[in-house]
Amino acid sequence: GAGVSQTPSNKVTEKGKYVELRCDPISGHTALYWYRQSLGQGPEFLIYFQGTGAADDSGLPNDRFFAVRPEGSVSTLKIQRTERGDSAMYLCASSKGNEQFFGPGTRLTVL
Amino acid sequence: GQSLEQPSEVTAVEGAIVQINCTYQTSGFYGLSWYQQHDGGAPTFLSYNALDGLEETGRFSSFLSRSDSYGYLLLQELQMKDSASYFCAVRDRRDDKIIFGKGTRLHILP
Repeated sequence: GAGVSQTPSNKVTEKGKYVELRCDPISGHTALYWYRQSLGQGPEFLIYFQGTGAADDSGLPNDRFFAVRPEGSVSTLKIQRTERGDSAMYLCASSKGNEQFFGPGTRLTVL
Repeated sequence: GQSLEQPSEVTAVEGAIVQINCTYQTSGFYGLSWYQQHDGGAPTFLSYNALDGLEETGRFSSFLSRSDSYGYLLLQELQMKDSASYFCAVRDRRDDKIIFGKGTRLHILP
């Protein structure tokens, strides 16, 4: 079966613009996580969904960041008024137990 | 809050054994996981320890001691393809949030 997929693989945008990053988890996985990873650092937790609801969004850095998972499958991470400091690799992972399966990530560059 | 500490870099020789340590501070967690990440790639799951003791999976083993808030990943018969970053992670018991360490960069010399 297919693994976790993320689109786009790369996104270049200008400061102040709005972006959406999409994650398609493995079918049947109820848990979905978003992380942000900067070079030389570990994945930084952003938000966790169990089904359709956000079980924990304490990692979202501020109110410019928002994520949804309306049907309990695909999730979208939305960033408003992007800033240069938002530039990073955004990783999505899904799980059905203790093992997380990561997607290839979306590299976001804010100019 | 939760925090995990691991060495930033480790160097070892091809064919040798290397141990990557992880110490953590958390009020309660389900278990300790290890992930491998090659440059430009996504993290991939290696192992999970829910109980104290050693778990072995081929050339890789992982250990957990809850009383010492400590774990390690042991890699045997090192191969050049093992050059990567290795992350320990814990899943918090209170909110299911998963927290990663900053990672250990493993350099392997021929």
